[in-house]
Amino acid sequence: ETGVTQSPTHLIKTRGQQVTLRCSSQSGHNTVSWYQQALGQGPQFIFQYYREEENGRGNFPPRFSGLQFPNYSSELNVNALELDDSALYLCASSGTGALSYNEQFFGPGTRLTVL
Amino acid sequence: SQQGEEDPQALSIQEGENATMNCSYKTSINNLQWYRQNSGRGLVHLILIRSNEREKHSGRLRVTLDTSKKSSSLLITASRAADTASYFCATPQYNNNDMRFGAGTRLTVKP
Repeated sequence: ETGVTQSPTHLIKTRGQQVTLRCSSQSGHNTVSWYQQALGQGPQFIFQYYREEENGRGNFPPRFSGLQFPNYSSELNVNALELDDSALYLCASSGTGALSYNEQFFGPGTRLTVL
Repeated sequence: SQQGEEDPQALSIQEGENATMNCSYKTSINNLQWYRQNSGRGLVHLILIRSNEREKHSGRLRVTLDTSKKSSSLLITASRAADTASYFCATPQYNNNDMRFGAGTRLTVKP
């Protein structure tokens, strides 16, 4: 078990709604990355936050937005939900130093179902 | 888009046998990481190998990296039923901002 927690564990929404997912990073980590994992696929990078600023973004539309707080916890917001947004959403935290060599510690994920 | 491609997509072996999974990637890297995922849960980091390393060991795991072929392999020796999981290789892009994962190899170890 890593020290990364996510809430909620499961969520069911309907198309067009908005959702907020939360992540608490491991103690001492100031970087949080969010990933979307569709069934049977590998995780896809959504974006990363470093010291409360967005620090890289994958190929996701602007309705996917995020936030990082002074305690380095983070939120992922998705507006205007679509059926294809149904997936496991993972957050991962990593520490400072040589970022390119950092191991990422993953939370257990939030399973989002859009009906 | 996915960076790594794992091979095979699925692997089924008996307990005690060795399991080998391969990963190919497309762009230059400074390290490659292997992760494990149990049945729709979070990923667990297994091992990181830097681009200037050719082989690395951790317990029953052995990872190799061939940067000239842009490929890596993960060997699990003396497999156990508890090793049943999906295994992913991942390569960080642009100073770790973007970690690219493959689609994974689903390993089943039969008792």
